[in-house]
Amino acid sequence: AQKVTQAQTEISVVEKEDVTLDCVYETRDTTYYLFWYKQPPSGELVFLIRRNSFDEQNEISGRYSWNFQKSTSSFNFTITASQVVDSAVYFCALSFILTGGGNKLTFGTGTQLKVEL
Amino acid sequence: AAGVIQSPRHLIKEKRETATLKCYPIPRHDTVYWYQQGPGQDPQFLISFYEKMQSDKGSIPDRFSAQQFSDYHSELNMSSLELGDSALYFCASSSNIAATSYNEQFFGPGTRLTVL
Repeated sequence: AQKVTQAQTEISVVEKEDVTLDCVYETRDTTYYLFWYKQPPSGELVFLIRRNSFDEQNEISGRYSWNFQKSTSSFNFTITASQVVDSAVYFCALSFILTGGGNKLTFGTGTQLKVEL
Repeated sequence: AAGVIQSPRHLIKEKRETATLKCYPIPRHDTVYWYQQGPGQDPQFLISFYEKMQSDKGSIPDRFSAQQFSDYHSELNMSSLELGDSALYFCASSSNIAATSYNEQFFGPGTRLTVL
């Protein structure tokens, strides 16, 4: 069974602070993919990053960085120098390949990030 | 670039009514997925289609049915609507290039269904 846990329900920070969103996953598959999505108040799901199970190289993209550790089944996401526009719900998700074709995403429960002035 | 189109964007229905949500995938995408996101919840997988055949089924109520048509668009039909069906319904599409590789899902903007 696939499971994604985001233990942080809500995080509040002051603008310019760094913030890390935690994600822990469970899967028996050896090949899988991990994602972070952002959902602003407008409701759309914005894709941020994808990592496959064979690529543990951490990545930095602007103010965003990701830390994938297979040994602890964690895929954490850090925003550096947070801004008010970063306020949103962030979902971590896990995907595996369907035998019938395509992939299936299992989402965590999300972390509501509030960045205040 | 063309994106996934969902219609309508907003829908208001009464209890026990029927609703039909439509999804138009990105051109040349052959796989469609439906997700349901209740208020304050994470998106939950409902059903998927690959080449017009159902490829997987999640926690979709028996009152719901879906299909993918010859032009690859998909429709989610919801009957005997209940208050608890109020949610944001996302459609996503992907191109199943290779069965053993990951094929990125592109999400539509969602249809917000309100059942009164």
